[in-house]
Amino acid sequence: QSALTQPASVSGSPGQSITISCTGASSDIGGYNYVSWYQQHPGKAPKLIIFDVTKRPSGVSNRFSGSKSGNTASLTISGLQAEDEADYYCSSFTTTYTLGVFGGGTKLTVL
Amino acid sequence: EVHLVESGGGLVQPGGSLRLSCGASGLTFNTNWMAWVRQAPGKGLEWVANIKNDGSDTYYVDSVKGRFTISRDNAKNLLFLQMDSLRADDTAVYYCATETWLQFFYWGQGTLVTVSS
Repeated sequence: QSALTQPASVSGSPGQSITISCTGASSDIGGYNYVSWYQQHPGKAPKLIIFDVTKRPSGVSNRFSGSKSGNTASLTISGLQAEDEADYYCSSFTTTYTLGVFGGGTKLTVL
Repeated sequence: EVHLVESGGGLVQPGGSLRLSCGASGLTFNTNWMAWVRQAPGKGLEWVANIKNDGSDTYYVDSVKGRFTISRDNAKNLLFLQMDSLRADDTAVYYCATETWLQFFYWGQGTLVTVSS
């Protein structure tokens, strides 16, 4: 069981937009603006794509955006491309860090 | 360019020990919190431990407390994870990463630890 809850899978067609949710609690997502998102392709290390809820590291496409409302954070990918097919994980600063800090991951399939 | 390289993984029997290392370059190592994150085969990411930039504070996920020890050598730009009393469920790829507020900015390529008899 993960500290944060994500849907197991989402899918979309090229050019469409999708949103992945990440639900936590007031002790993590709801209480801090330190939510991050990671993209992981098979056999590769994770890559940071969103930090501080909405910020993108240098070099990350502006098709990726993050937001937060209450205890739920969201990652939106617009203009889906085949290369976006990957696993996506959310993470949040938390006062209950000893129980874990990542969501269970969401597999994105580009149809 | 930041570069993190893990080493020390391998096959170990249950109850055994292993020490992972992570060499860092391209960053001011002694100003960065560092972390270990692992991923069991076919599973999600799991934060394991982190350490303050000067090594004065360390934190662990409950499942490894008392068995794993994170440490660092700022003079040599090295991060370590001493793993004792290893169990089958510790089998995973172990990544080192730079960390700020439990946000993981740069990652290594990972090293595989297999606990099996």
